[in-house]
Amino acid sequence: RKEVEQDPGPFNVPEGATVAFNCTYSNSASQSFFWYRQDCRKEPKLLMSVYSSGNEDGRFTAQLNRASQYISLLIRDSKLSDSATYLCVVIAGGTSYGKLTFGQGTILTVHP
Amino acid sequence: DGGITQSPKYLFRKEGQNVTLSCEQNLNHDAMYWYRQDPGQGLRLIYYSQIVNDFQKGDIAEGYSVSREKKESFPLTVTSAQKNPTAFYLCASKTGGAGSEAFFGQGTRLTVV
Repeated sequence: RKEVEQDPGPFNVPEGATVAFNCTYSNSASQSFFWYRQDCRKEPKLLMSVYSSGNEDGRFTAQLNRASQYISLLIRDSKLSDSATYLCVVIAGGTSYGKLTFGQGTILTVHP
Repeated sequence: DGGITQSPKYLFRKEGQNVTLSCEQNLNHDAMYWYRQDPGQGLRLIYYSQIVNDFQKGDIAEGYSVSREKKESFPLTVTSAQKNPTAFYLCASKTGGAGSEAFFGQGTRLTVV
């Protein structure tokens, strides 16, 4: 089983749609969780951290479910500019410096 | 400006040659990472270092080597033992703290012909 798994998609949605991505992780000692965004042929950039109580940043909401070992990202009112690959990231090993493990990414395309 | 710099952006090498990719950061980050990304794939961890003069193998370390002689620098050597070296290589750095983000360089596209 992979340490971090995502549904690769692709997800094709119209502008204004709500879309959700899930990511599961296998190491119960994992401590830190993030969502990154990667545009085509570019480096990944942080979209948002994921906190235990859940957190929101504008149209984006991240949730963590430790019992079921998954994190989620919800995008409301999708924009054309949201088209990208979304990567979940887990820091395993119980230390905040430790091994950053990425999911394989979920491709999102928002169309007019 | 603070940041993380990878060079070169594009690199071409002949099969059988070793090649070294540069990664430098002036963010005063302790931890640095090397990832490989193949088309349509996620990032796979090659090596990481949490402190100077120490580093750990990631998931796909075979055929690669690293050094961490200075806090600012974490070069990656792709050796001739790496069977399929053509890929997009990304370097990242991170400070401590559970919620701190990892910053990435712009990547090096290595093509072996």
